[in-house]
Amino acid sequence: QVQLVQSDAEVKKPGASVKVSCKASGYTFINYYIHWVRQAPGQGLEWMGIIDPSGGDTRYAQKFQGRVSMTRDTSTSTIYMELSSLRSGDTAVYYCARDRGCSGGSCYHFDFWGQGTLVTVSS
Amino acid sequence: QSVLTQPPSASGTPGQRVTVSCSGSSSNIGSSGVSWYQQLPGTAPKLLIYTNDQRPSGVPDRFSGSKSGSSASLAISGLQSEDEADYYCATWDDSLDGFFFGTGTKVTVL
Repeated sequence: QVQLVQSDAEVKKPGASVKVSCKASGYTFINYYIHWVRQAPGQGLEWMGIIDPSGGDTRYAQKFQGRVSMTRDTSTSTIYMELSSLRSGDTAVYYCARDRGCSGGSCYHFDFWGQGTLVTVSS
Repeated sequence: QSVLTQPPSASGTPGQRVTVSCSGSSSNIGSSGVSWYQQLPGTAPKLLIYTNDQRPSGVPDRFSGSKSGSSASLAISGLQSEDEADYYCATWDDSLDGFFFGTGTKVTVL
């Protein structure tokens, strides 16, 4: 069965960086894009970007350009999301999600999600 | 100011039909497929509808989606207590060159 298992919660100080991992299993890793979505406490969902596990190509939301980096390790079927220059507003649960692929010309539909990783930014 | 606007809340009694709206523009809903997600308290979102009206396998046919112009809707028929959750629409925006979720709607079963 498809599973996305994320790393444990992190507590970081303002200005630091955090790297969250997402280990995929149960399907062919390189065949499905992976997205990152975050959710601040009591708030809605926010898309951060996408990575192609096959070639490593990425596309980031404009809000995070220059501060986020998504990478992959095909040998371990793991995706990484690193966010730098952390501030209190980055406190959120970070999710990885698999893209089911385009259908009828429509793309970016997330069919499996990781369990989420809480990142707390506090001095 | 939000790209995709949803009502903050909706409610119904068991068995009733509830509809959640998602209002956008020609650059997002008007030109891209819409998906809907259900988020139960303390859990990750779950895909309910993709490409406007398609249900993934395993999603009950009580859930249905539609789109007209720059608006989309999610309908829940035969409302059940386990449907109490937050619901989000989502789609790509060509003008903003990004992917956006709606503001979210909390559905309460009375």
